Amino acid sequence: DQQVKQNSPSLSVQEGRISILNCDYTNSMFDYFLWYKKYPAEGPTFLISISSIKDKNEDGRFTVFLNKSAKHLSLHIVPSQPGDSAVYFCAASPSNAGGTSYGKLTFGQGTILTVHP
Amino acid sequence: NAGVTQTPKFQVLKTGQSMTLQCAQDMNHEYMSWYRQDPGMGLRLIHYSVGAGITDQGEVPNGYNVSRSTTEDFPLRLLSAAPSQTSVYFCASRGMYTEAFFGQGTRLTVV
Repeated sequence: DQQVKQNSPSLSVQEGRISILNCDYTNSMFDYFLWYKKYPAEGPTFLISISSIKDKNEDGRFTVFLNKSAKHLSLHIVPSQPGDSAVYFCAASPSNAGGTSYGKLTFGQGTILTVHP
Repeated sequence: NAGVTQTPKFQVLKTGQSMTLQCAQDMNHEYMSWYRQDPGMGLRLIHYSVGAGITDQGEVPNGYNVSRSTTEDFPLRLLSAAPSQTSVYFCASRGMYTEAFFGQGTRLTVV
């Protein structure tokens, strides 16, 4: 039972254009969402997050949108750069810091983003 | 500030051998966890800990043991390695109101 799904295994984008990565979740207990970026032979690194009390969070070229009713979130990268080429993972967790489940992240399968010069 | 440190980076085991993957963090984080990454599967939670002395199973715990005697360390033990445990293993730590930080990973091959 995949509780977090990234249905696009790969995405190819031209440099300077927008990249949109999508993520769906099924568990209503999730109320905090994170995006991680992963280069080959490295650990995932945190990119951006959003709490369920918001519908948008922006950090430079990266914006995450959350649609709670649809249980859907997306990551927008504008403009895309060749250095953005990596695997992007969507992850979800409860937001109650101190709770026993707070340390558990549930990940999607990942989307390989390739940005062409 | 080293963050999360995993050792070794690479390991080859024979079927039936045992070994321990080490993980240490220097951020005084309460939460630590182990994930494995397999092609097309994302990262799946093996075991996690909410503090020293407290551990619990994740999604794929069979064949693995953990313990947490200190805040800093969270080793993962493979009791009797099997080819199905060939994977890349990541340790992560998370503090209150922070994101999770990951180590560089251990690539394990069981032959």
